[in-house]
Amino acid sequence: AQKITQTQPGMFVQEKEAVTLDCTYDTSDPSYGLFWYKQPSSGEMIFLIYQGSYDQQNATEGRYSLNFQKARKSANLVISASQLGDSAMYFCAMRDMDTDKLIFGTGTRLQVFP
Amino acid sequence: IAGITQAPTSQILAAGRRMTLRCTQDMRHNAMYWYRQDLGLGLRLIHYSNTAGTTGKGEVPDGYSVSRANTDDFPLTLASAVPSQTSVYFCASSEDIETSPQYFGPGTRLTVL
Repeated sequence: AQKITQTQPGMFVQEKEAVTLDCTYDTSDPSYGLFWYKQPSSGEMIFLIYQGSYDQQNATEGRYSLNFQKARKSANLVISASQLGDSAMYFCAMRDMDTDKLIFGTGTRLQVFP
Repeated sequence: IAGITQAPTSQILAAGRRMTLRCTQDMRHNAMYWYRQDLGLGLRLIHYSNTAGTTGKGEVPDGYSVSRANTDDFPLTLASAVPSQTSVYFCASSEDIETSPQYFGPGTRLTVL
């Protein structure tokens, strides 16, 4: 069965520093997609970044980048130059390309302090 | 502004009552989804629909039903609510493209007493 694991319940980072949020996944399918979402205290789920299993390069979107290590089955999110507004829950998710379903991890709460 | 709307924003419901959570999207996405979010468990898929007229069961479908009469609407019904269905419910939609993310509605906070 497919599974997403986020082992860090909470993380702290100082403003302007970089932080890495861990995500490992388990699947036997050769084709899959990996997503990161941000959920601020207001509750909405905001899409951040996508990485496909066949992508040769790590995905980047502004200050967000995805450290994709296929052999280790990890897809860590790197946030550079953290801002106070980055404080939120972050969820890693995997998409089954056959069924189109998203499977979510339990999330990591990031707190950015001045 | 294009997106997904959900109603109600929040609801307190007596156990045993029937409740329908509404979800409407104006992005013409074929695929729609319902998730519940519980503390420590992340988001879990309840039901999904790949296109109008079709639905499928997700990870936690028991006690819930859905319908997809048209592209835009995807209501979720609790036929007889129980306290364990207290949760935050998110509706989402996506395009038929492998790289397309799912876009989420603002959520409905449901409390069953």
